Amino acid sequence: GNSVTQMEGPVTLSEEAFLTINCTYTATGYPSLFWYVQYPGEGLQLLLKATKADDKGSNKGFEATYRKETTSFHLEKGSVQVSDSAVYFCALSDRGGGSEKLVFGKGTKLTVNP
Amino acid sequence: DTGVTQSPTHLIKTRGQQVTLRCSPISGHKSVSWYQQVLGQGPQFIFQYYEKEERGRGNFPDRFSARQFPNYSSELNVNALLLGDSALYLCASSLSPDTQYFGPGTRLTVL
Repeated sequence: GNSVTQMEGPVTLSEEAFLTINCTYTATGYPSLFWYVQYPGEGLQLLLKATKADDKGSNKGFEATYRKETTSFHLEKGSVQVSDSAVYFCALSDRGGGSEKLVFGKGTKLTVNP
Repeated sequence: DTGVTQSPTHLIKTRGQQVTLRCSPISGHKSVSWYQQVLGQGPQFIFQYYEKEERGRGNFPDRFSARQFPNYSSELNVNALLLGDSALYLCASSLSPDTQYFGPGTRLTVL
């Protein structure tokens, strides 16, 4: 079945450091890819998405490019802030069986120190 | 615009009891999905409903059931609660295919 693998955390960075969180996927066909963010005690917020190969999703300084050849969708940000501390989830859309569900990775916890 | 709302925020039950969780989608969204997020893990798909009909079901036992109402709101029911049902239950609504918007979740604790 379809699956998502993302780098294990936790990740701890200093403010203004460069961030990369790796995400690879296994899927039949060409799913849409997503990054969601979860702040402590809250639900998931859509951060960015890409719907086809070579698409780049971007939002709030975060970027990720849909790489079909490497089945990857790595999240990057050039300069992190303390307010970026959260858990980040990579996900793909699975349209099998008549439904449209999201398949998530296990999440990567990011802590940014001042 | 009001986002996805869920109630209650927190819930404590004992083993064997039954629970009902509620979700109101974003206005105009006809699809509602439910996910279970166990602590430290990513969300797992439970159900999707569209126009009051079940579109998909994840790998959960029959103790889990759901329904969608004419106003597109939804309820998730869990019977005969087990300790392992303790989790954050997330509701998501969508208008277009793929993109789902999540509510704040209901934290269920089973003692």
